[in-house]
Amino acid sequence: QVQLVQSGGGVVQSGRSLRLSCAASRFTFSSHGMHWVRQAPGKGLEWVTFISSDGSNEYYADSVKGRFTISRDNSKNTVYLQMNSLRVEDTSVYYCARDRSSGWYRLLDYWGQGTLVTVSS
Amino acid sequence: DIQMTQSPSSLSASVGDRVTITCRASQSVSNFLNWYQQKPGKAPKVLIYAASSVQSGVPSRFSGSGSGTGFTLTISSLQPEDFATYYCQQTYRTPYTFGQGTNLEIK
Repeated sequence: QVQLVQSGGGVVQSGRSLRLSCAASRFTFSSHGMHWVRQAPGKGLEWVTFISSDGSNEYYADSVKGRFTISRDNSKNTVYLQMNSLRVEDTSVYYCARDRSSGWYRLLDYWGQGTLVTVSS
Repeated sequence: DIQMTQSPSSLSASVGDRVTITCRASQSVSNFLNWYQQKPGKAPKVLIYAASSVQSGVPSRFSGSGSGTGFTLTISSLQPEDFATYYCQQTYRTPYTFGQGTNLEIK
């Protein structure tokens, strides 16, 4: 069964940085794009970013563009989210998710367990 | 950005009821529309992708329809484990936006 195990969350002060990791197993990691999605406390889901399978393409939500960077290491089967200049409004549970796509669909078919990032003022 | 609007935002229903949730896109997303179920404290789980394809392992009481800008998720006969929050998501164009969610509660 596909596994995505997240680490790296915690409490951080506004303006500081944090890096999240998502370690993948039991599938061919280098064949799949990866997403990060977040959820503020009591709120809905917000798509954050996507990286293609080979790392050549990245896309970001406007709310994080220029502050967050997604990256991956296919030799370690891990995707990262580097979060800089954190704001109180970035406080959320962050999920990594596997992309499954073809010419006529794209879905997030497996998700990590989520990790809470709390940004204090 | 493509805005996704779900209705209703909340819904009370009973076990055995047939329930329909609607999702509308601000512009056409073709059939790049997914539905997710989320239970408290858990990660979302995909139910339907490409508007009407049922994800492997998802019970047949879940179905999806629509294309372009209008989509529906139908649960044919509610079971106790179906009480959760449901989200639509378009994956036609980045940012891959979600609807605001529909909270399905027990009546």
